[in-house]
Amino acid sequence: GNSVTQMEGPVTLSEEAFLTINCTYTATGYPSLFWYVQYPGEGLQLLLKATKADDKGSNKGFEATYRKETTSFHLEKGSVQVSDSAVYFCALSDPSEDSSYKLIFGSGTRLLVRP
Amino acid sequence: DGGITQSPKYLFRKEGQNVTLSCEQNLNHDAMYWYRQDPGQGLRLIYYSQIVNDFQKGDIAEGYSVSREKKESFPLTVTSAQKNPTAFYLCASRDRGSNQPQHFGDGTRLSIL
Repeated sequence: GNSVTQMEGPVTLSEEAFLTINCTYTATGYPSLFWYVQYPGEGLQLLLKATKADDKGSNKGFEATYRKETTSFHLEKGSVQVSDSAVYFCALSDPSEDSSYKLIFGSGTRLLVRP
Repeated sequence: DGGITQSPKYLFRKEGQNVTLSCEQNLNHDAMYWYRQDPGQGLRLIYYSQIVNDFQKGDIAEGYSVSREKKESFPLTVTSAQKNPTAFYLCASRDRGSNQPQHFGDGTRLSIL
């Protein structure tokens, strides 16, 4: 079945450092890929998405490229801020396998940014 | 503002009691979903509904029930059969179209008294 694997956290960085959070996936079809962010005590907010190979999703300085050859969708940001501290979830949806369009999530990566 | 409203934010359940979590959306989305989040884990699908008066079990439906009588509402009942209900519950909705993302509410945290 389909699955998503994320690097374990917490990831601790100083302000203005470069961020990479690794995400790899297993899918039988042609999934869409997403990054969601969760701030403490809140729901998930869509950060960015990519729907086909080589697509690059971007938002608020974050980027991720859909790499079919390596089955990866790594999240990057060139200069993190304290306000980026949150839990980041990689997820996929594969309607070719499941018509519910349900999201399959990784276990999340906590990011802590220090001033 | 359009969005998804979950209530209450915190809920406590006594042994043997059923409790109902509310989820309302004004985004005019056809599909709605309930997920469960446990500490340090990703979200798992409980139930989903793609149209009014129809819903389907997700991966962990045992001990839960739902209804979809109106397009904008998708309440979740945690029954006494759910032996480990303590978790963070998230409702989501999605517009039509194969590439549309899911949008989430702010969640309800359920605890056992």
